[in-house]
Amino acid sequence: DAGITQSPRHKVTETGTPVTLRCHQTENHRYMYWYRQDPGHGLRLIHYSYGVKDTDKGEVSDGYSVSRSKTEDFLLTLESATSSQTSVYFCAISVSQGYDYGYTFGSGTRLTVV
Amino acid sequence: SQKIEQNSEALNIQEGKTATLTCNYTNYSPAYLQWYRQDPGRGPVFLLLIRENEKEKRKERLKVTFDTTLKQSLFHITASQPADSATYLCALSTGGGNKLTFGTGTQLKVEL
Repeated sequence: DAGITQSPRHKVTETGTPVTLRCHQTENHRYMYWYRQDPGHGLRLIHYSYGVKDTDKGEVSDGYSVSRSKTEDFLLTLESATSSQTSVYFCAISVSQGYDYGYTFGSGTRLTVV
Repeated sequence: SQKIEQNSEALNIQEGKTATLTCNYTNYSPAYLQWYRQDPGRGPVFLLLIRENEKEKRKERLKVTFDTTLKQSLFHITASQPADSATYLCALSTGGGNKLTFGTGTQLKVEL
């Protein structure tokens, strides 16, 4: 199985503070993604990366930035956290599944902004 | 506007029956569609991929159909078991970079 870990697993932060979430993979997969999951909205793409220093926006990118300086690490930063960014954040990588391919997700980060 | 619809109401079925979940979409032309399983507190897990030129795909007790004319995919679990209880998500390919857009999921409960 592709190794993908997210840290931290849980975080409570105050409005206006910067927050960085980390996604680490162990198998040099090219594509990495950050999603947020909220009740009634499902998973929504925030940003994705197709290589080192190559990133692009998803459908809900406002208030978020990302960086990928190494293949294995994809960082998501909330520059100034707001209560609307309280959510569960998932990192994913696109992995070959035999003839097909699909996402392998991390375990998620539950972020609460108070 | 683009939309992916999955039944938001939970589906309750008896053990041993076939569960059928529906994914409808509008204003997309996906090259492929995927199904995922998600358990509470966990990330989604990939189950199946079906391409636009494939009508049906099977994997063990799972079967997926893809009708690009109706813009619909059906996901079947035969001989369902309580361990199949979870939320099932459909996801459509949307552009390059293997990007996916997800539906909100349908919760399945298999009762003894």
